[in-house]
Amino acid sequence: KQEVTQIPAALSVPEGENLVLNCSFTDSAIYNLQWFRQDPGKGLTSLLLIQSSQREQTSGRLNASLDKSSGRSTLYIAASQPGDSATYLCAVSGASGSRLTFGEGTQLTVNP
Amino acid sequence: DTAVSQTPKYLVTQMGNDKSIKCEQNLGHDTMYWYKQDSKKFLKIMFSYNNKELIINETVPNRFSPKSPDKAHLNLHINSLELGDSAVYFCASSHLRTARDTQYFGPGTRLTVL
Repeated sequence: KQEVTQIPAALSVPEGENLVLNCSFTDSAIYNLQWFRQDPGKGLTSLLLIQSSQREQTSGRLNASLDKSSGRSTLYIAASQPGDSATYLCAVSGASGSRLTFGEGTQLTVNP
Repeated sequence: DTAVSQTPKYLVTQMGNDKSIKCEQNLGHDTMYWYKQDSKKFLKIMFSYNNKELIINETVPNRFSPKSPDKAHLNLHINSLELGDSAVYFCASSHLRTARDTQYFGPGTRLTVL
């Protein structure tokens, strides 16, 4: 059974810092890994999707890496802004791509 | 131009009641999902439908019954509500049949059972 763990559970940083969020998963036989953002009282917004054959994906100030063999992914946020404050969720889909298993998220606060 | 919409946004009800949550997507996607997010913010899949066909049915009490009248709609009906059903329920959709591509989420329905 796939298990996804995110560290840290919460993170508070001053504006402008570069930061890294970590995600680990127990079964390396995945189809893809996705990073989502959840704002309070809102749904999830997809940030990046990395296929199992890829090593990283970039979108603006966000960069996600994937090391499938070690069961790890990181989300790098450059030059953080208060608007980046949200909960960031990592999710992996099984080898057949059948379903997403989510981590519990990292709650990020960027202070002005 | 909302992509995935859910109604209602909040639902407060008494134990034992029956309630429904509606979901609609205008993205032309073939697959829709229901997720439950509990008080610890842990998100778990409940059901998945592809073109009105049930393809994922997790270990969910049979008091929960999804209904898909067409591929743009996936409603969730809950019978005999219990305190433990209190959670936020999210609907999502994707183009492909499974979790192989990006999923788009609705805003969530916060269900409180008293």
